Amino acid sequence: DTGVSQDPRHKITKRGQNVTFRCDPISEHNRLYWYRQTLGQGPEFLTYFQNEAQLEKSRLLSDRFSAERPKGSFSTLEIQRTEQGDSAMYLCASSLSGIGGRSSGNTIYFGEGSWLTVV
Amino acid sequence: GQQVMQIPQYQHVQEGEDFTTYCNSSTTLSNIQWYKQRPGGHPVFLIQLVKSGEVKKQKRLTFQFGEAKKNSSLHITATQTTDVGTYFCADHNFNKFYFGSGTKLNVKP
Repeated sequence: DTGVSQDPRHKITKRGQNVTFRCDPISEHNRLYWYRQTLGQGPEFLTYFQNEAQLEKSRLLSDRFSAERPKGSFSTLEIQRTEQGDSAMYLCASSLSGIGGRSSGNTIYFGEGSWLTVV
Repeated sequence: GQQVMQIPQYQHVQEGEDFTTYCNSSTTLSNIQWYKQRPGGHPVFLIQLVKSGEVKKQKRLTFQFGEAKKNSSLHITATQTTDVGTYFCADHNFNKFYFGSGTKLNVKP
């Protein structure tokens, strides 16, 4: 048990529908990451938060994707107008890091992931 | 972002044989982490290497960081069926982690 919780674990949706995933990080962790993983590939970085601030978004994150972390605790990832290409596992991870600048020695702890299938 | 390449993509070994996966980058890595992902599971942190030429061991696993900090390897001695899974290296760079495509290990009993 890594302490990072994701919900739902599995979601099947029709193309064009909106879906939202929730992530509850390890409680004292100030950084939260979203990754996407497809079969046979490594996790791809999507975005990350330092507390409530979204510090970086990957080019993979189209305008149909939006992530929030309103109070610096849990986070949501919403996908609007889903497409079949969005089918993947969406992984959340968290870490504890110092404020500002480049960090070293940080371990990220992944949740179990949320599997999305768009039909 | 930083791109790390892993080889081989797949490896099938007989239980008791050794296994090695390699991670390569065209540019210098700040530090590198290794993760294991069991089938149907999520990546789990194994170790981090920071220093040039660093070698770390965890029981049957030996991790190395190249002198130029452009490559790394994970070696498993005498594999067991519990070693089955995909092993990823990840470049930890400016608060982000860039993962390789992984090496999938299958161990036949």
